[in-house]
Amino acid sequence: QVQLVESGGGLVKPGGSLRLSCAASGFTFSDYYMSWIRQAPGKGLEWVSYISGSSNTIYHADSVKGRFTISRDNAKNSLYLQMNSLRAEDTAVYYCARDQWEIHDWGQGTLVTVSS
Amino acid sequence: DIVMTQSPDSLAVSLGERATINCKSSQSILYSSNNKNYLAWYQQKPGHPPKLLFYWASTRKSGVPDRFSGSGSGTDFTLTISSLQAEDVAVYYCQQYYSTPGRTFGQGTKVEIK
Repeated sequence: QVQLVESGGGLVKPGGSLRLSCAASGFTFSDYYMSWIRQAPGKGLEWVSYISGSSNTIYHADSVKGRFTISRDNAKNSLYLQMNSLRAEDTAVYYCARDQWEIHDWGQGTLVTVSS
Repeated sequence: DIVMTQSPDSLAVSLGERATINCKSSQSILYSSNNKNYLAWYQQKPGHPPKLLFYWASTRKSGVPDRFSGSGSGTDFTLTISSLQAEDVAVYYCQQYYSTPGRTFGQGTKVEIK
């Protein structure tokens, strides 16, 4: 079955950087768009970034544009999110998701905390 | 971006009673060429990722109990739980995927037992 396992979260100071990874299995990774969706503590869901199977189409929400970069390695069945210039408001659980417009499959999430 | 507004923000319903959640989009999310509404519903329990309940507004995901139903078209949508069970306590989100990029979620509706 489909498995998405995120890693790379943790505590980082404002202005710092972090790279999230998502290991995918159970489906043909290169056939699917993939997304990062985040949820601040006690808050709702926010679409952060998505990337097409071939990496030709990439989207970043305005809130992270210029600071975050989504990428993928289809040979490794892996999705990444490079997060730079982190702010307190980026504190959230970051979910990796298999994107079929609606999201059928989610990872368990990795917590990113931005605090001094 | 299309804004999705859910109502109410929270509701408390007795076990076995009906729960109704509304979701309104700031513009129509009905695509005329295929007559599909680009709307999904999710259920999220504490400490867990969201779980897809419905897509295309009313197509139930396999395994979702039939006490859940999704309806609506254009800008107004409804998620109904016909007979609330204890395991249905959760936060429910609607999400539009008509606008890409810029897919957006509603703010969520918390369902509790009265």
